[in-house]
Amino acid sequence: GAGVSQSPSNKVTEKGKDVELRCDPISGHTALYWYRQSLGQGLEFLIYFQGNSAPDKSGLPSDRFSAERTGGSVSTLTIQRTQQEDSAVYLCASSLSRDGSLYNSPLHFGNGTRLTVT
Amino acid sequence: AQKITQTQPGMFVQEKEAVTLDCTYDTSDQSYGLFWYKQPSSGEMIFLIYQGSYDEQNATEGRYSLNFQKARKSANLVISASQLGDSAMYFCAMRERSRGYNKLIFGAGTRLAVHP
Repeated sequence: GAGVSQSPSNKVTEKGKDVELRCDPISGHTALYWYRQSLGQGLEFLIYFQGNSAPDKSGLPSDRFSAERTGGSVSTLTIQRTQQEDSAVYLCASSLSRDGSLYNSPLHFGNGTRLTVT
Repeated sequence: AQKITQTQPGMFVQEKEAVTLDCTYDTSDQSYGLFWYKQPSSGEMIFLIYQGSYDEQNATEGRYSLNFQKARKSANLVISASQLGDSAMYFCAMRERSRGYNKLIFGAGTRLAVHP
């Protein structure tokens, strides 16, 4: 079946512009995550959605970052007034909740959006 | 404090030999899950293996096995019979009950190079 789909795959933007990154999770997956990976680094958690609500926004680096999820499916990560330090690969993942628990459910990742801020 | 520690930034192994990638974790929870992911140069994140804190046996998936030592809080990944295609970054990750099993926390990763 279809995996997690992210668009665009690459985005180059000028400093100060706003960008929107899109994630389409695996059908039926209620949990959705956004992570950021800077060059050669590990994955930094940004935000987690369960359905349409975001119980954990603790990883958003500043108020320039926001995310929403509609219809329990597609999610959009928005970065306003982009800065050069925002340059990274933004990864989206989804996970299946079994019996209301995510305990042993792996995250299934998309291929990411590579954001370059010039 | 680091939740997940991977002390080996880089490792190399000869093709067909076994290699162990280290992972230690920090949690006060009794219930948690441990995951390993592979990230080839193409950038995709590939789920390899899972170990639950209550699982009595070490997890195995094909050539991958997890050496789980709960008292030491370590969850090392063992790759047997290494292949050239195993060259990649490997990430250890943990999900904790106290966080509702929501957030998956990743280590910094280990880059593995398999030499012919």
